[in-house]
Amino acid sequence: EVQLVESGGGLVQPGGSLRLSCAASGFTFSGRWMHWVRQGPGKGLVWVSRIKGDGSYTNYAESVKGRLTISRDNARNTLFLQMGGLRAEDTGVYYCVRDGDHWDFDLWGRGTLVTVST
Amino acid sequence: QSALAQPASVSGSPGQSIAISCTGSSSDLGAYNYVTWYRQLPDKAPTLIVYDVTQRPSGVSDRFSGSKSGNTASLTISGLQAEDEADYYCSSYTTSHTWVFGRGTKLTVL
Repeated sequence: EVQLVESGGGLVQPGGSLRLSCAASGFTFSGRWMHWVRQGPGKGLVWVSRIKGDGSYTNYAESVKGRLTISRDNARNTLFLQMGGLRAEDTGVYYCVRDGDHWDFDLWGRGTLVTVST
Repeated sequence: QSALAQPASVSGSPGQSIAISCTGSSSDLGAYNYVTWYRQLPDKAPTLIVYDVTQRPSGVSDRFSGSKSGNTASLTISGLQAEDEADYYCSSYTTSHTWVFGRGTKLTVL
């Protein structure tokens, strides 16, 4: 089955760190760009970061540069998001998303909730 | 990068057609034909319904159609059905090599 399954979310204090994972299955993971997209509680979608299939290129939204790092392990078909210096505004559901080759997002995971609060 | 502008809500009766607008700038919608639309049911992940302004993925009903003129894109849903009730988001690739989403539109089928 073609799917993405996120894990690693939870409650973290401001300034803290968290590492999200996304297990991919059912497609050639190493051949696809991958993204993280965030959705704040009751809010809209915000693109966070992307990484090329071989891991050689990454880029980020301005709001997360220097605090979040995207990476991947193609041998384990897993995408990661290392989160540091977390702020209240980073709270939300983080979706692991596959690039659809048309500057679109054609496969989404169910998301994992990150809550930054004291 | 500011979010693309969408109406907060739209509504229509079964069988009617509605359109959802999405307005950006010359740095996103106006720069490329890489406009996409997503549908999100309550407590679910978004799903892709339109890409490259007008294209539909396999399995998406032809009741959904997209268009674009200048810095504004639109999603039209014809023959409204109760199951179309959801949140709809537009998105565009930008000249900064990032993506921007709209704020979302809640569709209510009366």
